[in-house]
Amino acid sequence: GAGVSQTPSNKVTEKGKYVELRCDPISGHTALYWYRQSLGQGPEFLIYFQGTGAADDSGLPNDRFFAVRPEGSVSTLKIQRTERGDSAVYLCASSGGWGDTQYFGPGTRLTVL
Amino acid sequence: DQQVKQNSPSLSVQEGRISILNCDYTNSMFDYFLWYKKYPAEGPTFLISISSIKDKNEDGRFTVFLNKSAKHLSLHIVPSQPGDSAVYFCAARGNAGNMLTFGGGTRLMVKP
Repeated sequence: GAGVSQTPSNKVTEKGKYVELRCDPISGHTALYWYRQSLGQGPEFLIYFQGTGAADDSGLPNDRFFAVRPEGSVSTLKIQRTERGDSAVYLCASSGGWGDTQYFGPGTRLTVL
Repeated sequence: DQQVKQNSPSLSVQEGRISILNCDYTNSMFDYFLWYKKYPAEGPTFLISISSIKDKNEDGRFTVFLNKSAKHLSLHIVPSQPGDSAVYFCAARGNAGNMLTFGGGTRLMVKP
């Protein structure tokens, strides 16, 4: 497909477990973003990659959250020792470069029991 | 501290009439504004944007107005169609970074 894809679409885990969320950006897009959307709120910025490097990770809430993009394409958001408050929809977006329109994937709904 | 606010959580409009969605911001460093539309179980879809050097941008049935002095923008949809029923998010970007700051969203319902 031509759009941003995210897997899994749903993830249910238990408190304290480790989870990985995957994002496949639009082919050729150099910029990739992660956002988190809690119920009834707008998306909140987590981290932004330009190529392989994290250009801005100021939105990561704490050191349990980490993201990588080793080859400048697919990105993985990793959450250690999950807490119930981590339950949200995690959205990934990509753009052609700095300042270009961000296109969003369908999100991964994470539920921490 | 919410830097982007959408004070109306929901709006109901009759088909064919105008829908006006409002958004306020507090950060004077924001210089680019966007509207996204979101259907259930889908990601936000880009709708229209406006740079701070303009006060109006139009694309078909959608027009965005920006009032910098009031730190206010609005999205007008004319005429409204049932397929426009969705949650609309206002977003802003500053010149110092590439991240978007979103409002809380407004659920638009267009009745046939």
